[in-house]
Amino acid sequence: DAKTTQPNSMESNEEEPVHLPCNHSTISGTDYIHWYRQLPSQGPEYVIHGLTSNVNNRMASLAIAEDRKSSTLILHRATLRDAAVYYCILRDRNNAGNMLTFGGGTRLMVKP
Amino acid sequence: GAVVSQHPSRVICKSGTSVKIECRSLDFQATTMFWYRQFPKQSLMLMATSNEGSKATYEQGVEKDKFLINHASLTLSTLTVTSAHPEDSSFYICSVPRQGATDTQYFGPGTRLTVL
Repeated sequence: DAKTTQPNSMESNEEEPVHLPCNHSTISGTDYIHWYRQLPSQGPEYVIHGLTSNVNNRMASLAIAEDRKSSTLILHRATLRDAAVYYCILRDRNNAGNMLTFGGGTRLMVKP
Repeated sequence: GAVVSQHPSRVICKSGTSVKIECRSLDFQATTMFWYRQFPKQSLMLMATSNEGSKATYEQGVEKDKFLINHASLTLSTLTVTSAHPEDSSFYICSVPRQGATDTQYFGPGTRLTVL
């Protein structure tokens, strides 16, 4: 799976939107963009994923650049419970079911 | 509710003892499970792939004789840390892949191992 680049950390105020960027300039045509997050002292949890079009679910939105070389995870109203490490991971759809390769992720801090 | 469980959630042991960690898939059968290790302030690192009915596949640098994996059934995989030492202290996390349109992975809550 191709590599991603994320900022080490970001800060946000509670109740405000948060935009978490991810660069993946070497993405291939068969790579899905997945986001997971890891709350303190817990296992990671799935957040959202997409291929080309923007995606929305109850947790977040995923905005994917037209050239697919970058994407942004959007939390519309950050809460203190959203403080976590967010991982952007590329998954080749031909490798479905294989392990995930985690990068450093972005540590999101939410201030009250 | 939880899809994957791990037991125990925390364990403290003396150096030289062995520790068994269980990973259970609660909602569906899993022919494959993954074991990760996470040291403080670091990302998750894959240790091994647990395969039901066959031997586990270990990542480079992970000693298979030290980290014994048994995929006993389609819902249970166990990781045994043999002759544990303080440097084995870590957060151990298992995951279960859910194949299909979402290609989602479900992670267990993790097991915190402290070796004194």
